[in-house]
Amino acid sequence: AQSVTQLDSQVPVFEEAPVELRCNYSSSVSVYLFWYVQYPNQGLQLLLKYLSGSTLVKGINGFEAEFNKSQTSFHLRKPSVHISDTAEYFCAVTYTGGFKTIFGAGTRLFVKA
Amino acid sequence: EAQVTQNPRYLITVTGKKLTVTCSQNMNHEYMSWYRQDPGLGLRQIYYSMNVEVTDKGDVPEGYKVSRKEKRNFPLILESPSPNQTSLYFCASSAPGHSNTEAFFGQGTRLTVV
Repeated sequence: AQSVTQLDSQVPVFEEAPVELRCNYSSSVSVYLFWYVQYPNQGLQLLLKYLSGSTLVKGINGFEAEFNKSQTSFHLRKPSVHISDTAEYFCAVTYTGGFKTIFGAGTRLFVKA
Repeated sequence: EAQVTQNPRYLITVTGKKLTVTCSQNMNHEYMSWYRQDPGLGLRQIYYSMNVEVTDKGDVPEGYKVSRKEKRNFPLILESPSPNQTSLYFCASSAPGHSNTEAFFGQGTRLTVV
């Protein structure tokens, strides 16, 4: 069965420290990969996406992610986080040729002063 | 402005009282879906629609109905709500097959069934 695993449910980190949020997906077929962010009391918004081409993808707010096909991973990184990055982050996968997007369970990022 | 609009944002209802949550998008997207978000479970798809009059079950369809009579609207219907349907609901739309295949989400509807 197709699945997306976010390996950490919560990630506490101090302000200005680097952070990595991990995401792995099942299946080796072609995929589209996404990271969404959800701020408190809001809907999800796109942070970045990988469709094809360069495996390093840059998104909004200084985030980037690297697609690793051999490890079926798409980890999200930021070199220096801010308090305002406190939110829940969702990794999502759409299998090309299909219509369904599968979401991970989410990772709650807490940035502490 | 491109957007997905859900109404209402908050709803408290009693067990068994039929309700409808509306969803409308202005991007001419073919694909629309409903999700529920529960702590520790992420987003789970309830129903989706690939175009007008084409709908199908997602992962957790029990207790829900949908319709797609117009491209822009995709209401979620709870014929007889129960407390286990207390959740945060999101509507989303996208245009699969195009370069911009990300989903656009509504602001969410927080439903409490007592």
